[in-house]
Amino acid sequence: ELKVEQNPLFLSMQEGKNYTIYCNYSTTSDRLYWYRQDPGKSLESLFVLLSNGAVKQEGRLMASLDTKARLSTLHITAAVHDLSATYFCAVDPNAGKSTFGDGTTLTVKP
Amino acid sequence: DGGITQSPKYLFRKEGQNVTLSCEQNLNHDAMYWYRQDPGQGLRLIYYSQIVNDFQKGDIAEGYSVSREKKESFPLTVTSAQKNPTAFYLCASSTTGVYGYTFGSGTRLTVV
Repeated sequence: ELKVEQNPLFLSMQEGKNYTIYCNYSTTSDRLYWYRQDPGKSLESLFVLLSNGAVKQEGRLMASLDTKARLSTLHITAAVHDLSATYFCAVDPNAGKSTFGDGTTLTVKP
Repeated sequence: DGGITQSPKYLFRKEGQNVTLSCEQNLNHDAMYWYRQDPGQGLRLIYYSQIVNDFQKGDIAEGYSVSREKKESFPLTVTSAQKNPTAFYLCASSTTGVYGYTFGSGTRLTVV
């Protein structure tokens, strides 16, 4: 059974600081996705990582994938309040259905 | 604009009632999915379908049923056998395994 673990599950950080969210998974996969969920809302796609060594950046967020270590990271640079949300990673090893981590709830304080 | 539409946004169910949640997409995606999200939790897969007239159970299918008669539509019925249905239900679609999911806006179901 595929397990996807995110840590930390809760993260409180000050504006302007940097931090990294980790996503570990238990089965070989070349496909990993990051999503963002605002309170009371649905999920929106942030990054699609489809190969070992893939790196994607959008604004203050950067995601990377190491398939050998079965690890993805979501790095936050110089956090701002607008980044406060819950971030989910999801793994899809068989190109069929995704298994989601439990989410990391990020709160950015002034 | 292409997208995925869920309705209703809020739904109230009485004890013993069956209710149906609608999910329609015009993205020409082959695959569609239903997930359940409980407060403060991650997403758990209920059912998924990769082609018309075929669907598979996910991790928590008991008490739920689906149909996939058209490519665009994947309705979810929450039956009276589902004893704790209060949750946020998310429908998603994808071009299988390539670009991840596009999610609908969700249906919040409450038992009254």
